[in-house]
Amino acid sequence: GQNIDQPTEMTATEGAIVQINCTYQTSGFNGLFWYQQHAGEAPTFLSYNVLDGLEEKGRFSSFLSRSKGYSYLLLKELQMKDSASYLCAVNSNYQLIWGAGTKLIIKP
Amino acid sequence: DTGVSQDPRHKITKRGQNVTFRCDPISEHNRLYWYRQTLGQGPEFLTYFQNEAQLEKSRLLSDRFSAERPKGSFSTLEIQRTEQGDSAMYLCASSLQNNSPLHFGNGTRLTVT
Repeated sequence: GQNIDQPTEMTATEGAIVQINCTYQTSGFNGLFWYQQHAGEAPTFLSYNVLDGLEEKGRFSSFLSRSKGYSYLLLKELQMKDSASYLCAVNSNYQLIWGAGTKLIIKP
Repeated sequence: DTGVSQDPRHKITKRGQNVTFRCDPISEHNRLYWYRQTLGQGPEFLTYFQNEAQLEKSRLLSDRFSAERPKGSFSTLEIQRTEQGDSAMYLCASSLQNNSPLHFGNGTRLTVT
């Protein structure tokens, strides 16, 4: 079967750093996406990894290890507006397999 | 780039009625996807189109669901004889090509009473 695991919920403090992990077991792999979704809104694209290593984009970075079936999203200098769900999705044989998302709560 | 738009934003219907949703993708995007999402879950794949051709349909999708993209531009999703279990957010997304990021519309929230 195909499976993506993320923690259900995480809490962090404004200004701090948080790492959201994603592990996957899929029949194929053509890349991994991270999306942000605020409550009641559509997901918005954050990052894409297809090769091992770290991709940095401003306050957000995403890491991939294909041999371990593992990725993480790193958020720095957390702001209150970063409170949202973060979804990991794997392109497996050109179909996106989605995790259930990690709800991130930011406290002042 | 005006983004992906969906209509209506909200739909309340009685069990047994038919509903139709519309999605207008980003104009240069060939691929169009329909997903369903319930609270606390990731998007669940329903179907996708490459231009006007419907290339894949989820096996979870009953025959009450049908989608069209007649001219390779906008798409419609119809649910016949709605059931309470159909209540969800229906998301449309489009992408330029196979491994490009998906751009989502704001969704249509369906409530079946």
